[in-house]
Amino acid sequence: QQQVKQSPQSLIVQKGGISIINCAYENTAFDYFPWYQQFPGKGPALLIAIRPDVSEKKEGRFTISFNKSAKQFSLHIMDSQPGDSATYFCAASKRSNYQLIWGAGTKLIIKP
Amino acid sequence: GAGVSQSPSNKVTEKGKDVELRCDPISGHTALYWYRQRLGQGLEFLIYFQGNSAPDKSGLPSDRFSAERTGESVSTLTIQRTQQEDSAVYLCASSSWQEQYFGPGTRLTVT
Repeated sequence: QQQVKQSPQSLIVQKGGISIINCAYENTAFDYFPWYQQFPGKGPALLIAIRPDVSEKKEGRFTISFNKSAKQFSLHIMDSQPGDSATYFCAASKRSNYQLIWGAGTKLIIKP
Repeated sequence: GAGVSQSPSNKVTEKGKDVELRCDPISGHTALYWYRQRLGQGLEFLIYFQGNSAPDKSGLPSDRFSAERTGESVSTLTIQRTQQEDSAVYLCASSSWQEQYFGPGTRLTVT
């Protein structure tokens, strides 16, 4: 029940295309769903996050879509650029416990 | 403002030696986490400190691993009698709520 399942494991997208990464969770107590971006040799950095009271959050080219009934959330990267090539992690946590439960990560490659 | 800092950035040690890794969290952050990340892999939770509460040590892989934190300041992760399988990047993160902010990590290589 504590798991967050992330897919795909790797993804190749042409420059200018839309990158989509999906995550699913079981624990309905989760109320915070962030996405982190990690470049090689760096620590993960918070990219965008959503709470279950909204179905979508957009920041620039990055959008989180959230489906509470399906217990799924996804990251969409519009107009993908080579600089977006990185590993992306989804995560979830609940208000009573700050700990994040992490997805396994998706290695995204944007081909020029 | 200053982010999370970790030292050293790289550490090469011989099998069997002890190592200490340091994490300086963001000032005012009550929570601190240690993770291990093997090459090309995800984040493996090790230990979590929250204020003055007892730490959650449920992720420590063996009794060779230990960590300390004094109040809401610096934390040290100690690995005793290092083994080659301990080679990884050790990441520290701190938070004041649910958002975690990561340091750059310490790359540990055990030869």
